[in-house]
Amino acid sequence: GQQLNQSPQSMFIQEGEDVSMNCTSSSIFNTWLWYKQDPGEGPVLLIALYKAGELTSNGRLTAQFGITRKDSFLNISASIPSDVGIYFCAGPPDTGNQFYFGTGTSLTVIP
Amino acid sequence: KAGVTQTPRYLIKTRGQQVTLSCSPISGHRSVSWYQQTPGQGLQFLFEYFSETQRNKGNFPGRFSGRQFSNSRSEMNVSTLELGDSALYLCASSSRPGMRQPQHFGDGTRLSIL
Repeated sequence: GQQLNQSPQSMFIQEGEDVSMNCTSSSIFNTWLWYKQDPGEGPVLLIALYKAGELTSNGRLTAQFGITRKDSFLNISASIPSDVGIYFCAGPPDTGNQFYFGTGTSLTVIP
Repeated sequence: KAGVTQTPRYLIKTRGQQVTLSCSPISGHRSVSWYQQTPGQGLQFLFEYFSETQRNKGNFPGRFSGRQFSNSRSEMNVSTLELGDSALYLCASSSRPGMRQPQHFGDGTRLSIL
């Protein structure tokens, strides 16, 4: 089945640093959603993207829908301790009626 | 607005038993989706219900089934439990059906199979 690969798998950064992560697929996607999951909780939606090339911000978070429609990027500026968690990309491929989550990027922010 | 509520939060069963998990969506949301989360396989889509009808289905065996009631609440049933069914089961709701809709997740039911 479809696999969404996220990189890096994990990140350890200093508080205040910027963070970049990406998500790639083997198929074209028509929507990219970015979620954050804290331990013991369900994923929380951060940003939704619907068009190739679209760039959307939510506070310190910015995400982009890749031009090829096979990738997406998430940036976090000036990281803070509460940014700690696992970040997932997700979405439906252009064909079919499935929904896929990425492999996740674990973020640790060192105060 | 109350969020997505899943019950129970934790459940322990033995192999061969069956289990039913419950999900109450956000008020006004009529679409409910279910996911399985395991360390090995990550988050995998099980199925989506809208207006009491299953609209989309993932690649899980027939032991996994679900239903949705007229008040949009949904239940998921797993029969003949296997050790590999141990997982966090997440429910998500959205206001409209379809895989493009942003979904709001509950905190899940942690199912352990002994």
